[in-house]
Amino acid sequence: ETGVTQTPRHLVMGMTNKKSLKCEQHLGHNAMYWYKQSAKKPLELMFVYNFKEQTENNSVPSRFSPECPNSSHLFLHLHTLQPEDSALYLCASSPRRLGGTDTQYFGPGTRLTVL
Amino acid sequence: GDSVTQMEGPVTLSEEAFLTINCTYTATGYPSLFWYVQYPGEGLQLLLKATKADDKGSNKGFEATYRKETTSFHLEKGSVQVSDSAVYFCALSETGNQFYFGTGTSLTVIP
Repeated sequence: ETGVTQTPRHLVMGMTNKKSLKCEQHLGHNAMYWYKQSAKKPLELMFVYNFKEQTENNSVPSRFSPECPNSSHLFLHLHTLQPEDSALYLCASSPRRLGGTDTQYFGPGTRLTVL
Repeated sequence: GDSVTQMEGPVTLSEEAFLTINCTYTATGYPSLFWYVQYPGEGLQLLLKATKADDKGSNKGFEATYRKETTSFHLEKGSVQVSDSAVYFCALSETGNQFYFGTGTSLTVIP
């Protein structure tokens, strides 16, 4: 059971396409994250949103553009990607309560293949 | 900076064998420590966590103890099952939004 959903689960796109990944959390959390998971590498944090405001951008190329219209939804807009961008993209959310330990909850991921 | 190092995989065990997956960390303060599990085709699921030294996290027969003196958080299970086959990630967080993950350890349990 997961309170974080992601669509689509699989996506194949050409380098000139524009597509978007969607994430929705049903947990009432205040923070949302995008991660990239590539084989044999640690999870790479891409973006962090706290209370709809972007607070972290880990030197992600501009061909990845995040959008967080509210605390429950997070998008990742993709354009002119490269084959090396093929990976599993994971969305996560966390309560982000002040003064306490935060725990992240992940969605199932979108498997992206760039041709 | 903060980091997590976990043992290289893959690990293959027979059913009912004892499991240990080593995890050590580097942190400037007093992090919270986590183990996540990823089953094939799925995202990461929180398995257990510990928030301070000497705490023991446990879930589904898995355990890990926060050892500040050795900066370790090793994952153990006394008797693994085929259904435990997955990739296991150790992680730490010092502040609310910064999480650091290890590279993952793949476990295969054979009947």
